[in-house]
Amino acid sequence: QVQLVESGGGVVQPERSLRLSCVASGFTFSTYPMHWVRQAPGKGLEWLAVISYDGINKYYADSVKGRFTISRDNSKNTLYLQMNSLRAEDTSLYYCARDLTEYSAYDQMKYWGQGTLVTVSS
Amino acid sequence: EIVLTQSPATLSLSPGERATLSCRASQSVSSYLAWYQQKPGQAPRLLIYDASNRATGIPARFSGSGSGTDFTLTISSLEPEDFAVYYCQLRTNWPRGVTFGPGTKVDIK
Repeated sequence: QVQLVESGGGVVQPERSLRLSCVASGFTFSTYPMHWVRQAPGKGLEWLAVISYDGINKYYADSVKGRFTISRDNSKNTLYLQMNSLRAEDTSLYYCARDLTEYSAYDQMKYWGQGTLVTVSS
Repeated sequence: EIVLTQSPATLSLSPGERATLSCRASQSVSSYLAWYQQKPGQAPRLLIYDASNRATGIPARFSGSGSGTDFTLTISSLEPEDFAVYYCQLRTNWPRGVTFGPGTKVDIK
């Protein structure tokens, strides 16, 4: 069965960096676009970024453009989110999610991990 | 920038009742609209994709409809496990990205 397991969250000071990972299993990782989505405590969902199946195309929400970088290593079935210059408002549960379809991103998310919590605080 | 508005913010209903959730876009959009269900402490679950297609394993009591700017998620007869928060979500092409609505909470009356 499809599994997505995020890791790398924790407590980090403002302006510091953190890298999140998402290990995928149960499907052919290298053929699916992947997303990062976050959810602040008690709030709604906020999409952050998508990466194409081959890692070439990447798109970001304005709120994180220039600070966050999405990447993937298809040989390791792993998705990453490099987060720099973190702010208090980045405090959230971070989910990775698999797109609905292979190759061309539908930007509709079929499978989700359970999330990893990032807390930005001094 | 396209904004999604969901109404009502909270819907209080009893099991067995029909739930009608609305998602409105600030401008006419494609049908790349999805609906998700999220229960406390859980990740979202895809219910509907492309406005009206049920995702694999989703019960037939969930249905989606709409086009242009107005979309609807209907739960024909609420089961106890359906009380949750529901989000609509849209793919945008210019700029390329994804937008979520603010959510509708369906709670027990």
